[in-house]
Amino acid sequence: AQSVTQLDSQVPVFEEAPVELRCNYSSSVSVYLFWYVQYPNQGLQLLLKYLSGSTLVKGINGFEAEFNKSQTSFHLRKPSVHISDTAEYFCAVSELDDYKLSFGAGTTVTVRA
Amino acid sequence: GAVVSQHPSRVICKSGTSVKIECRSLDFQATTMFWYRQFPKQSLMLMATSNEGSKATYEQGVEKDKFLINHASLTLSTLTVTSAHPEDSSFYICSARFGGDGQPQHFGDGTRLSIL
Repeated sequence: AQSVTQLDSQVPVFEEAPVELRCNYSSSVSVYLFWYVQYPNQGLQLLLKYLSGSTLVKGINGFEAEFNKSQTSFHLRKPSVHISDTAEYFCAVSELDDYKLSFGAGTTVTVRA
Repeated sequence: GAVVSQHPSRVICKSGTSVKIECRSLDFQATTMFWYRQFPKQSLMLMATSNEGSKATYEQGVEKDKFLINHASLTLSTLTVTSAHPEDSSFYICSARFGGDGQPQHFGDGTRLSIL
């Protein structure tokens, strides 16, 4: 079984500043990795995914994430945030032969002017 | 992109009522659909996985007689909360995926269920 740890429960950040959300996972087998964003009272929207290949993955809304196998991490970054990036962010993992997702506890990002 | 529609978005009803929530994949055929429950300020908890034409697989601790899931077609799954009580109040979210390695789940906008 796999597990996901999001190291920061809340991240306050000023508008136009960079942000990094940390995600570590544990699994005995190879995994697929995902980042989702949830705006208030809405479902989840896929930001990006890592399946294989290049370890730097670019997603929507200017987000990117880097897969580090040796550190079992998949941190999410954005070089300059907007007020509209205020939301809950979830890191998720699935094993290659199982399509169930295991979610981290989530990170609340609050962008202030 | 893949779109999943979930209805209703909000339900308020009396204790003892049964509530049905629909989840539709609008522009793709979903081989598998998932139902989650989310408590305030918490992550998503998987309740069950359903494949079209077969019985749903429930996660440990989820009452299958309480949460009835029907996956009648490749584009529609329903969750019925039977004889709902206040402790069933929560945010319920569905997702769907189509076949292929690494295909992500696509989520509906959720249903806020409030039982009085």
